[in-house]
Amino acid sequence: GAVVSQHPSRVICKSGTSVKIECRSLDFQATTMFWYRQFPKQSLMLMATSNEGSKATYEQGVEKDKFLINHASLTLSTLTVTSAHPEDSSFYICSLWGGSYEQYFGPGTRLTVT
Amino acid sequence: GENVEQHPSTLSVQEGDSAVIKCTYSDSASNYFPWYKQELGKGPQLIIDIRSNVGEKKDQRIAVTLNKTAKHFSLHITETQPEDSAVYFCAANSGYALNFGKGTSLLVTP
Repeated sequence: GAVVSQHPSRVICKSGTSVKIECRSLDFQATTMFWYRQFPKQSLMLMATSNEGSKATYEQGVEKDKFLINHASLTLSTLTVTSAHPEDSSFYICSLWGGSYEQYFGPGTRLTVT
Repeated sequence: GENVEQHPSTLSVQEGDSAVIKCTYSDSASNYFPWYKQELGKGPQLIIDIRSNVGEKKDQRIAVTLNKTAKHFSLHITETQPEDSAVYFCAANSGYALNFGKGTSLLVTP
């Protein structure tokens, strides 16, 4: 399967600041990437679908002005959490669409907002 | 939308025994059913998947069965080892997005 990296793996930020998370496809041209959020002991919740060169599609209840997604190339998608608050603390995971339904996930980014 | 139910939520087996995790889905249009293994603090890893034109698929100690009529699919792990301990998620596609079950925490005790 495809190899996906995320950076950073862990980040701590203060309430009110913004943080950017990068998702890179190392060996696959990813036209579509997905961003998920996972709270402790819970399942993955899809936040948005990111298509290269176009605007992201957000799931119901996800604030697009708070979670900014940019997919400017076939190997990089970024998620920026703006004006972060403690309730945004979570495990953020990206995945890329392999072309025939399959998704390959990155290692995740643990965000802690203090 | 698609609803994926997964059971059990926790499963404890002895090393060498088999483990079975079951999922049901609601969308009859779903045709792709992957299983992911997630270790603590890591991203999910695709371990096996099955498509609706196949009833069973096997890869070494792991097998998946699909019953499209009943809308359920299962993961079977034989000869379990301690390193199989993790959280396992089933999923079903809705278009090209995936809907995940709530996960099963599998513990394999030596």
